[in-house]
Amino acid sequence: AQTVTQSQPEMSVQEAETVTLSCTYDTSESDYYLFWYKQPPSRQMILVIRQEAYKQQNATENRFSVNFQKAAKSFSLKISDSQLGDAAMYFCAYRSRPLNRDDKIIFGKGTRLHILP
Amino acid sequence: DGGITQSPKYLFRKEGQNVTLSCEQNLNHDAMYWYRQDPGQGLRLIYYSQIVNDFQKGDIAEGYSVSREKKESFPLTVTSAQKNPTAFYLCASSITGQLRIWEHEQYFGPGTRLTVT
Repeated sequence: AQTVTQSQPEMSVQEAETVTLSCTYDTSESDYYLFWYKQPPSRQMILVIRQEAYKQQNATENRFSVNFQKAAKSFSLKISDSQLGDAAMYFCAYRSRPLNRDDKIIFGKGTRLHILP
Repeated sequence: DGGITQSPKYLFRKEGQNVTLSCEQNLNHDAMYWYRQDPGQGLRLIYYSQIVNDFQKGDIAEGYSVSREKKESFPLTVTSAQKNPTAFYLCASSITGQLRIWEHEQYFGPGTRLTVT
């Protein structure tokens, strides 16, 4: 079974600085998707960024980028120029390419990010 | 606007009572999911459904039941058999099948906070 591990329960970063959130996963599959979700205090889950496993190029979305290391099964999220609105719980998630009825997303336990003014 | 609605936002029940949480989506998504979120636990999958009139147990299905009579609706019943029902419940939906990457993320509702005393 696939697992997703976020080893940092909490992190803090100074406003305008850069922070990297770690995520590792375990799978025997070669084709899958990876996601980072953000959950602010409102508790609404928001997709931050996505990565398809067969693509070598790291995904970027404005100030958010990932470092995808397939061989190492690592998928870290880098937030540049941190802003107060980035304060949230961040979840790393894994999804197999849907091929059968067993189609679900596996979430890590989350990293709570604090932004220091 | 398309999206997922969950009602109510806060729900209070007495121990021993069954309670049903509503989840409706107008995104025309095939798959729907229920998650439970507890502090420090991340998101844990309760039930999911990929098609009308079919659903599968997730990792923590005991004490819960669901139905999927309509594509847009996936209500969750928390029964009196659930030992620790107080939690935050999230409903999500997604497209399934061999589609493009940006159609494989899950979209989340705003959640329902259930308190049982």
